[in-house]
Amino acid sequence: EAGVAQSPRYKIIEKRQSVAFWCNPISGHATLYWYQQILGQGPKLLIQFQNNGVVDDSQLPKDRFSAERLKGVDSTLKIQPAKLEDSAVYLCASGGLAGGVETQYFGPGTRLLVL
Amino acid sequence: GESVGLHLPTLSVQEGDNSIINCAYSNSASDYFIWYKQESGKGPQFIIDIRSNMDKRQGQRVTVLLNKTVKHLSLQIAATQPGDSAVYFCAEMYSSASKIIFGSGTRLSIRP
Repeated sequence: EAGVAQSPRYKIIEKRQSVAFWCNPISGHATLYWYQQILGQGPKLLIQFQNNGVVDDSQLPKDRFSAERLKGVDSTLKIQPAKLEDSAVYLCASGGLAGGVETQYFGPGTRLLVL
Repeated sequence: GESVGLHLPTLSVQEGDNSIINCAYSNSASDYFIWYKQESGKGPQFIIDIRSNMDKRQGQRVTVLLNKTVKHLSLQIAATQPGDSAVYFCAEMYSSASKIIFGSGTRLSIRP
C-alpha cells in the first residue's frame, strides 16, 4: 500500500513570497490533515478535512494560510505572504479506521525555510 | 488548557538496555493515546496505542503503560537497538473527534 505523498520535500523562499504544498493521501482515506511542526516541537494541527469539507480549521492563520481539497482526494496548502516564523516542516496525514479508531498516517513532510 | 508534555527532552541508553520514555497529559477526558516515532527527515510513524479503558498494552519489543490516576503515559522499548534512535512523541486523542494533540517529544539516542 502506497503511503502519503507530499511535494516538494524542501522549499526555500524569501519573506512575503507565496508557497504551496501538495499532498496525496492514502487511497480510500476520507480524512486528511495538515500539520505544522516547528523544530523541536510536536506537530500542531492546522486543518482537518473530511472528504472535501473542512472539519476543523481553528488553528489555521486564515489571514495568510489557505487549504483546499476540492475533489476530496489530494490537497494543497498555501501560504501567502510567508513570514519568517512560518519556517517549519509541513506534514500531511490521512486517516483510516483501525480497530474502531481512526489512525493517522503521515507523509514525509515539506521542509520550508523562509529567509 | 490542553497539553501533553514529556518529562525529559533527551534520553541516552546503552544498546541492548531497555528504554523508558515518559509522558504526562493534562486532559482527563482524552480516551485514546498514541506513541509515534519520528526519524530525521520523516513524518511521525505510529508505534502503539492504548485506550483509556486499558492500563497496559504490548507490541513487538514495545509496551505502553497508562496510569489515569496521575495522568501518566510511558513507552518501554526492550533491548534498544540503533534503529530505535529517533524522537518519540506521545499524543492524546478525543476518539470521537479524531483530533490528535502532540507533546513536544523526547529524543532517544543509543550508545554503542
